[in-house]
Amino acid sequence: QVQLEESGGGAVQPGTSLRLSCAASGFTFKNYDMHWVRQAPGKGLEWLAVISHDGNEWLPDFMKGRLTISRDNLNNTVSLQMTSLRAEDTGVYYCAKDGAGTSNYAMDVWGQGTTVTV
Amino acid sequence: QSALTQPASVSGSPGQSITISCIGTNSDVGSYNLVSWYQQHPGKAPRLLIYEISKRPSGVSNRFSASKSGNTASLTISGLQAEDESDYYCCSYAGRSTWLFGGGTKLTVL
Repeated sequence: QVQLEESGGGAVQPGTSLRLSCAASGFTFKNYDMHWVRQAPGKGLEWLAVISHDGNEWLPDFMKGRLTISRDNLNNTVSLQMTSLRAEDTGVYYCAKDGAGTSNYAMDVWGQGTTVTV
Repeated sequence: QSALTQPASVSGSPGQSITISCIGTNSDVGSYNLVSWYQQHPGKAPRLLIYEISKRPSGVSNRFSASKSGNTASLTISGLQAEDESDYYCCSYAGRSTWLFGGGTKLTVL
């Protein structure tokens, strides 16, 4: 079945960097855009980034300069590189599949998340 | 961009209907028919309930319905069940390949 599995979270010091990964299976990964969404403890969801099927990335203005999203269509993975980490970056980070073609402009499959503690 | 505005909490009794609002702006909800809704149980990943304002993915109960008027989107849950007790989030496409979530609404089934 369609699955996403995040990894790479952990406890890090402020000011350092972290790279999160998401392994996809059960669908033709190269055909879909992929998102990252985070959730601070006890807070709501926050959209962080999207990468198109062919590698174009978009971020909200408040994250530009600190986040890089990338993908490897051969190994069915999407990654999120975060720099200059701050306490407010603490939370659960989810990758999600874009529903293009079925659930357009929505995130139709989510991983279980990986926890980052700064 | 600020988060879309949702009520912090709503409640209802089993069998009743409730509606959760999601207020955006002319730059997001009002400009695109691309609002989605997600259900998130504690400690779990979000689950897509609604996309393109009112469409349900396969497997989602028809007790969940949604609509949009102007800058406000709404999710209605009819025939409330205990299992509906959860957090609900709206999300809108906001142009230039960006998305915006609401702050979330905690639904309590009394």
